[in-house]
Amino acid sequence: EIVLSQSPGTLSLSPGERVTLSCRASQGVSKNHVTWYQQKPGQSPRLLIYGTSSRATGIPDRFSGSGSGTDFTLSISRLEPEDFAVYYCQHYGTSRATFGQGTKVEIK
Amino acid sequence: EVQLVESGGSVIRPGGSLRLSCAASGFSIDDYGMSWVRQAPGKGLEWVSGINWDGGSIDYADSVKGRFTISRDIASNSLFLQMNSVRAEDSAFYFCARLRGSFYYYDYWGQGALVTVSS
Repeated sequence: EIVLSQSPGTLSLSPGERVTLSCRASQGVSKNHVTWYQQKPGQSPRLLIYGTSSRATGIPDRFSGSGSGTDFTLSISRLEPEDFAVYYCQHYGTSRATFGQGTKVEIK
Repeated sequence: EVQLVESGGSVIRPGGSLRLSCAASGFSIDDYGMSWVRQAPGKGLEWVSGINWDGGSIDYADSVKGRFTISRDIASNSLFLQMNSVRAEDSAFYFCARLRGSFYYYDYWGQGALVTVSS
């Protein structure tokens, strides 16, 4: 079973800064099956990026995704106040999904 | 408009049973795979179970296999999770989510149903 490891666990940043979040898979995975979600307190997860680099409908272009093999990245070019949240990567394979443990982006 | 609305969350004693429901609207569940994903308070997301678009493929996380059963009713456009022999570690918010094929991502999520297992 594939395990996804996200790093760092928590990032303390200021609005306007650039942020890069990492998601590492325990073995190589298809780029098509890597997804990123954002979750704010008391809310359901929100789809951000699918297929490693495709932005979901309505997602601002300050969000971007990249990667291949075992290493995947979510980048936010300039943090807006509404971007402070927890971010999860997810992989889907052989009829089940796996989530990373999440990275919390908090206000410094 | 696509909507997923979970219901059935409750406080339940260890060893008990509970059935969660997820009412879908704005689409037909027999056109999509559907899953249950849970989140213990303050913790991360954990995939629980999934059913594919035609109902022919069902899978469970090892942590719930043999205790939970996923099902659906096309007529009512609803997804269900029957939870038996529940344990304290099953306490969580349970989300239903719609799976988009080919890229296999969840594009719509419900608001979640809270299940608390406590004596």
